[in-house]
Amino acid sequence: SQKIEQNSEALNIQEGKTATLTCNYTNYSPAYLQWYRQDPGRGPVFLLLIRENEKEKRKERLKVTFDTTLKQSLFHITASQPADSATYLCALHPGSFTDKLIFGTGTRLQVFP
Amino acid sequence: EPEVTQTPSHQVTQMGQEVILRCVPISNHLYFYWYRQILGQKVEFLVSFYNNEISEKSEIFDDQFSVERPDGSNFTLKIRSTKLEDSAMYFCASMRDPNSPLHFGNGTRLTVT
Repeated sequence: SQKIEQNSEALNIQEGKTATLTCNYTNYSPAYLQWYRQDPGRGPVFLLLIRENEKEKRKERLKVTFDTTLKQSLFHITASQPADSATYLCALHPGSFTDKLIFGTGTRLQVFP
Repeated sequence: EPEVTQTPSHQVTQMGQEVILRCVPISNHLYFYWYRQILGQKVEFLVSFYNNEISEKSEIFDDQFSVERPDGSNFTLKIRSTKLEDSAMYFCASMRDPNSPLHFGNGTRLTVT
């Protein structure tokens, strides 16, 4: 069956450290993968998009990698801050036959001072 | 920056009643979506809408659900006869084209009693 799994429900790290979140998928061949941030009671907010022919994408303190052989994406936040505390969702576009995004279950990140 | 707006932010209704959730997508976007999120669970795809018709719908989107774009700006989700299990956060989203990110509204919290 098709699955998108984010391996941790919750991740607690100290301010200033690098947070690494994992997204694994099975039985999909996505053209691209996206990461979103969701705060409690709010809609997801887009952060980064990475295409299947890209290995790595960066935006300020954020970095995403995409390994289509391992069927995995890693999402890194460097020099993390308490304001980075939120739930992070990975989402993929399943293929050219559809325009929907499928979301993973999310990882709740808590950055403590 | 343009944003997706949803009204109402919270809707309480009795089982069996009809509800209409409203959304104003970003004006130059062409693809429109409804997602829902049951408390503590993942963001689930309901339906996508393009060129004035449904392009795809999930198993959740049964005959009790319908969508409409009655004019050039609004996009609505109607639930004809609500059930307790319809209680969730409903997110509207829009996208300019299939290779761009989804922009979400902040949702309508639907509570069915």
